[in-house]
Amino acid sequence: AQSVTQLGSHVSVSEGALVLLRCNYSSSVPPYLFWYVQYPNQGLQLLLKYTTGATLVKGINGFEAEFKKSETSFHLTKPSAHMSDAAEYFCAVSGYSGAGSYQLTFGKGTKLSVIP
Amino acid sequence: NAGVTQTPKFRVLKTGQSMTLLCAQDMNHEYMYWYRQDPGMGLRLIHYSVGEGTTAKGEVPDGYNVSRLKKQNFLLGLESAAPSQTSVYFCASSLRGLASNEQFFGPGTRLTVL
Repeated sequence: AQSVTQLGSHVSVSEGALVLLRCNYSSSVPPYLFWYVQYPNQGLQLLLKYTTGATLVKGINGFEAEFKKSETSFHLTKPSAHMSDAAEYFCAVSGYSGAGSYQLTFGKGTKLSVIP
Repeated sequence: NAGVTQTPKFRVLKTGQSMTLLCAQDMNHEYMYWYRQDPGMGLRLIHYSVGEGTTAKGEVPDGYNVSRLKKQNFLLGLESAAPSQTSVYFCASSLRGLASNEQFFGPGTRLTVL
């Protein structure tokens, strides 16, 4: 079975500072990994995903994540935080659920605060 | 395209009452999902459907029932609501159930059970 651990339920950064949100996964097969963002009172929106190929994945709003198999990690970064980045971020791994289909298993989320 | 829509947006129930949450998608997706989101718990899968007329249990199915009579709609029912079912409910859909398929989420329904 697959699982996701997000280190830090709350992260605060200053505006303009580096954003680093940590995600470690467990999967018995080569993983497909996702980062979603949830703005207040909204649904989840895909930021980026890793399937195969290049291990550095670029997403929307200047975010990127690097897949490191040896560390079983998929950390999310952004060089310079903006006030509009304040949201909750979820890492997810795709796992086989039987009958040829896959499901997402989500981490518990990291709430990002950006300090002006 | 409206994407994934959910009705209602908010609802307050008394213990023992029943209700149905409606999810609709206009992207012709095969797969649909119902999740609940609780503080500090992330999203947990309640039920899902791999196509019209099919349903399957997820991680936390107890106390809920679902139906997928039409491809574009996925209904979540609470027959006898309990305070433990106070949560935010999200519907999602994906084109298919492939490992690489992203899921598209609705805006959520905030349910309070008194």
